[in-house]
Amino acid sequence: EVQLVESGGGLIQPGGSLRLSCAASGFTVSSNYMSWVRQAPGKGLEWVSVTYSGGRTYYADSVKGRFTISRDNSKNTLYLQMNSLRAEDTAVYYCARGTYCGGDCYGYWGQGTLVTVSS
Amino acid sequence: EIVLTQSPATLSLSPGERATLSCRASQSVSNYLAWYQQKPGQAPRLLIYDASNRATGIPARFSGSGSGTDFTLTISSLEPEDFAVYYCQQRSNWRTFGQGTKLEIK
Repeated sequence: EVQLVESGGGLIQPGGSLRLSCAASGFTVSSNYMSWVRQAPGKGLEWVSVTYSGGRTYYADSVKGRFTISRDNSKNTLYLQMNSLRAEDTAVYYCARGTYCGGDCYGYWGQGTLVTVSS
Repeated sequence: EIVLTQSPATLSLSPGERATLSCRASQSVSNYLAWYQQKPGQAPRLLIYDASNRATGIPARFSGSGSGTDFTLTISSLEPEDFAVYYCQQRSNWRTFGQGTKLEIK
């Protein structure tokens, strides 16, 4: 059974850093397109970042230069390192596995982890 | 950035009725459009990909159509579990989502 379990969210002050984890089971992270999508409270979905199976990574303009997506293949885990956090980064962060559309449509999602950026 | 505009913002219907949700792109996305359903407190669920293909396990009452800039998600006969928020997503030029349509019980 495919499962994605996010962790690492919490309350952080503006300018701070946080690392989110997404532990995967039932498939291999290294051979899949893996993404982070976020949702601010009461708002819609916003794509954040993707890592392709070949290692390429891409970011939304809103997080470029501040966030880094990575994988630990030995732990079958996806990460999102978030630096220089801002209030507008407050959201539930979902990791998602691309299983359709060549990896760009998300057939599996985690339950999400809440990041709150506030002083 | 391609902007996706969904309409209406809220749709009030009764079980058994037909629902028609719209998604308009600011420029052509070919058929690179997906639809997701999200219920409160849950992660989104993929319904339709590449405009008209149902994802695995999605009931046949859900159908998608359109190409270019105008797309439609149709639910032929609403079941109680279909009342949720629906998002469209394009993958033609990076990835963006629409702002969502809330389908509520009338």
